[in-house]
Amino acid sequence: AQSVSQHNHHVILSEAASLELGCNYSYGGTVNLFWYVQYPGQHLQLLLKYFSGDPLVKGIKGFEAEFIKSKFSFNLRKPSVQWSDTAEYFCAVKLHFGNEKLTFGTGTRLTIIP
Amino acid sequence: GAVVSQHPSWVICKSGTSVKIECRSLDFQATTMFWYRQFPKQSLMLMATSNEGSKATYEQGVEKDKFLINHASLTLSTLTVTSAHPEDSSFYICSANSGTGIQETQYFGPGTRLLVL
Repeated sequence: AQSVSQHNHHVILSEAASLELGCNYSYGGTVNLFWYVQYPGQHLQLLLKYFSGDPLVKGIKGFEAEFIKSKFSFNLRKPSVQWSDTAEYFCAVKLHFGNEKLTFGTGTRLTIIP
Repeated sequence: GAVVSQHPSWVICKSGTSVKIECRSLDFQATTMFWYRQFPKQSLMLMATSNEGSKATYEQGVEKDKFLINHASLTLSTLTVTSAHPEDSSFYICSANSGTGIQETQYFGPGTRLLVL
């Protein structure tokens, strides 16, 4: 079964700092990859997704993620964070073919200090 | 597009009673919906996959007789927590698949907070 690891449990940054959140998955086959964000008191929202093609994916709110197949990674990046980016970020993976289940990472809490 | 709603947003009930939670896809049809449970400061735990017109598929360790799932239409799935106990208190989240084939993406509802007294 596939698994997803997010090694950063809690990240604290100042506004305007650059962000990179790690995500690694364990599965040798073809996968679809997602980043979801959960703002305080709100539901999960899709930030971006990768299915195929260009491994650098751009999402909403200035976020992007790069799929590096050789490293089984799909790290999330943002060049300059804002206070409003304070939230919980979840990486998720789904098998490309069949099996519709999403497997989530444990999440990374991001706190931005004004 | 791809909006998923849940009702109620929160519910408090007495131990031993049953609680029904609705999940609706508002602007798309979903043959597959999912039910998750989220504990405080933890990730989502998939409970079951709800398939329209057929029985739900439960994850290992989830009691199907306790968590009844019905997916009666392409826009509605319900989760009924039967004979609820305090340990069932949690945040229940549903999601629905939008898109087809390899482009399928899950969109999530706002969640239902259940407190069993």
